[in-house]
Amino acid sequence: AQSVTQLGSHVSVSEGALVLLRCNYSSSVPPYLFWYVQYPNQGLQLLLKYTSAATLVKGINGFEAEFKKSETSFHLTKPSAHMSDAAEYFCAVSGSFGNEKLTFGTGTRLTIIP
Amino acid sequence: DTAVSQTPKYLVTQMGNDKSIKCEQNLGHDTMYWYKQDSKKFLKIMFSYNNKELIINETVPNRFSPKSPDKAHLNLHINSLELGDSAVYFCASSQARGRYEQYFGPGTRLTVT
Repeated sequence: AQSVTQLGSHVSVSEGALVLLRCNYSSSVPPYLFWYVQYPNQGLQLLLKYTSAATLVKGINGFEAEFKKSETSFHLTKPSAHMSDAAEYFCAVSGSFGNEKLTFGTGTRLTIIP
Repeated sequence: DTAVSQTPKYLVTQMGNDKSIKCEQNLGHDTMYWYKQDSKKFLKIMFSYNNKELIINETVPNRFSPKSPDKAHLNLHINSLELGDSAVYFCASSQARGRYEQYFGPGTRLTVT
């Protein structure tokens, strides 16, 4: 079985400040991990994914995430927040073959303060 | 050239009615999914099909019935709609079975009154 926990349902940062969104996972198999972003009234867009290659993963829009097995974490960061980053962010873990569903965290709403 | 499309985008209906949501992907993917997002934004898998074969069937009321006429289409039919069915329903697709990233449609907001 797999699960993800996103710490902080709401995060506010000032424009230009560091963005840090936290995700911890639990998985009975080596995890494949994903971050998705959802803008208001839209579907989910893939930001980045970890599939057991490099532990530091770079994604779109300047986001990156680091896989830390010892901490069972996959936190999302961006050095400098932009107003357009305001959205809901979801961390997800994929099950093993035969149970490939994505299990999502509860989401973190990111607000950017001008 | 939308990758994953859903119709309708909004659906307002009364309790007890039957409705369908359609999904199409033009990515050439083998696997498609239905997710439900509730009012608190929580996303949960409902069904998954691979090449028209049902491979994931979560604990969903049997009033919900998916149908895949071909691997590019996955429809969701809901019988006897209830207030609790109000949610946003997302269709998604992935390249194949396995741990591939999933591409999501824009969602269908279902409101049951």
